[in-house]
Amino acid sequence: EAQVTQNPRYLITVTGKKLTVTCSQNMNHEYMSWYRQDPGLGLRQIYYSMNVEVTDKGDVPEGYKVSRKEKRNFPLILESPSPNQTSLYFCATRSYNSPLHFGNGTRLTVT
Amino acid sequence: GQQLNQSPQSMFIQEGEDVSMNCTSSSIFNTWLWYKQDPGEGPVLLIALYKAGELTSNGRLTAQFGITRKDSFLNISASIPSDVGIYFCAGRPLQGAQKLVFGQGTRLTINP
Repeated sequence: EAQVTQNPRYLITVTGKKLTVTCSQNMNHEYMSWYRQDPGLGLRQIYYSMNVEVTDKGDVPEGYKVSRKEKRNFPLILESPSPNQTSLYFCATRSYNSPLHFGNGTRLTVT
Repeated sequence: GQQLNQSPQSMFIQEGEDVSMNCTSSSIFNTWLWYKQDPGEGPVLLIALYKAGELTSNGRLTAQFGITRKDSFLNISASIPSDVGIYFCAGRPLQGAQKLVFGQGTRLTINP
């Protein structure tokens, strides 16, 4: 079964404590991306990756890092989380010119 | 960055009614997509449109790629309770074709 798997699904942390949200896909897709979803703002792209070792900033990259060492994994790293990064995060993948497939989301709360 | 204006933001309807929502942009898009998000889950693709003027159906759902390439609409006929959720339009702009821009979403609530 084609899957985009995010972990954890829920996370509560404190300001400044580094965290990583993992994303893994089993569809051999080249393209992977991270979005955050906030009320009234829809989905905004944080970072994306066209292939292994290739990453680019999206619309709201500040405060985030990513890496793409393998095709199937695209972790999102928050080195020093702040309360304004409290949000619902989605990883999404696709092959060339096909629509995005989304994971089930990670709800992050930073206190 | 580029933005899509999606309307309405929310809809409260009776079961059995038809639903219509749309997205507009000030710039040209070469792909329009419509997604639905159920509570606690990620968005799921409903319909994909790739050519100006294209009209595509998926069961009770119909979507069209506007002839100007700056808009798209989604219609749902004879709504049922499981249609409840948030609907997002998304577009791939002519410039920066790897990027997908999302609308703000339309929250659909259905009274049985």
